[in-house]
Amino acid sequence: EPEVTQTPSHQVTQMGQEVILRCVPISNHLYFYWYRQILGQKVEFLVSFYNNEISEKSEIFDDQFSVERPDGSNFTLKIRSTKLEDSAMYFCATLRGAGTGVGEQYFGPGTRLTVT
Amino acid sequence: DQQVKQNSPSLSVQEGRISILNCDYTNSMFDYFLWYKKYPAEGPTFLISISSIKDKNEDGRFTVFLNKSAKHLSLHIVPSQPGDSAVYFCAASEVGTNAGKSTFGDGTTLTVKP
Repeated sequence: EPEVTQTPSHQVTQMGQEVILRCVPISNHLYFYWYRQILGQKVEFLVSFYNNEISEKSEIFDDQFSVERPDGSNFTLKIRSTKLEDSAMYFCATLRGAGTGVGEQYFGPGTRLTVT
Repeated sequence: DQQVKQNSPSLSVQEGRISILNCDYTNSMFDYFLWYKKYPAEGPTFLISISSIKDKNEDGRFTVFLNKSAKHLSLHIVPSQPGDSAVYFCAASEVGTNAGKSTFGDGTTLTVKP
């Protein structure tokens, strides 16, 4: 069964450093998402990406965040200058989509980001 | 503003009995609802969904009920099995411009006792 993969599984970084989280979506999926879950809290939407551009972003997704699909396969989330409060599990999700994109999202296993 | 709420943080059920997980929402623009199951150290896994044009959707042991007037949905698991023990998230999305962005509830931890 096709699955979404994410690397690395765990990333430790110092405050102020840049990190890039990587996701390989399911090949025929058209919509891509990043979510995060701070320990003990709910899963929160960060950004959605379709047709090589951001289709929506949350208030969490400020200027320190960016996404891209540089080579047509990997989907990346970059955090330019990490803060302690960025420590969380980051989940990539993809959706095959049909027209308006309704349907269940397939989530990757997540990357645990620890900012020290 | 919590648009999707799961008021029970935990639920414990005996194996073979019914598990009922509840979810309330406030945003009347939501028209597609999903339930995800999540094990520790894994991403959420899609379980079942329902469109706002329906009031019930069934898939094997899992049934989701939607009451639009009450802005309430529930997930029934019958019969419950120990392997169902996990965190269950209710999620909602808007069709159209939001392209499937999901708003999640806080989750309910289900424990099914053998």
